[in-house]
Amino acid sequence: KAGVTQTPRYLIKTRGQQVTLSCSPISGHRSVSWYQQTPGQGLQFLFEYFSETQRNKGNFPGRFSGRQFSNSRSEMNVSTLELGDSALYLCASSLPSGAQYFGPGTRLLVL
Amino acid sequence: DQQVKQNSPSLSVQEGRISILNCDYTNSMFDYFLWYKKYPAEGPTFLISISSIKDKNEDGRFTVFLNKSAKHLSLHIVPSQPGDSAVYFCADYNQGGKLIFGQGTELSVKP
Repeated sequence: KAGVTQTPRYLIKTRGQQVTLSCSPISGHRSVSWYQQTPGQGLQFLFEYFSETQRNKGNFPGRFSGRQFSNSRSEMNVSTLELGDSALYLCASSLPSGAQYFGPGTRLLVL
Repeated sequence: DQQVKQNSPSLSVQEGRISILNCDYTNSMFDYFLWYKKYPAEGPTFLISISSIKDKNEDGRFTVFLNKSAKHLSLHIVPSQPGDSAVYFCADYNQGGKLIFGQGTELSVKP
């Protein structure tokens, strides 16, 4: 089976812009979770989608949003980018209550 | 508050010897824990998990031990190989597709 894929792999944006990241889960996985990794905060949970519904959300401002499509592919959007949003954004897919399998991540740099 | 702590930021081991990575937790909801291995700028790779019905789970060179009374788990790698050099994260499963990660331990296996 193909693994989790994320696009783009690298992105450079300027403050105030918005960005959309995409994630395609492992075939058959309907749960997609998103995480942010920064040197200071480690791996932090953003939100999780299952069957097109957000089931859980972490402690991030409303500028961070996401959605999931009927084929389980997911997108996350960050609006009004700030310098502190520079991070590695990871998505993971899983079967219900199963281990999460991560994609390679999208490296976002905000200038 | 559900927390996971890896108190050793780094560990250095000789090739062929045992690597022991430790993790402490508080307020786990389900006592279901996972270990991941991560290289820089890549997504975490799932290694092994353990649930509360067991105190030990083994997969090849990797064994995870769970001590519920001490709220402690450990990952043993035997024998250690240079390719095992990476950052290792333990994670506690929360509800709704959320993993709570420790800060990670950087393992260096020297030839």
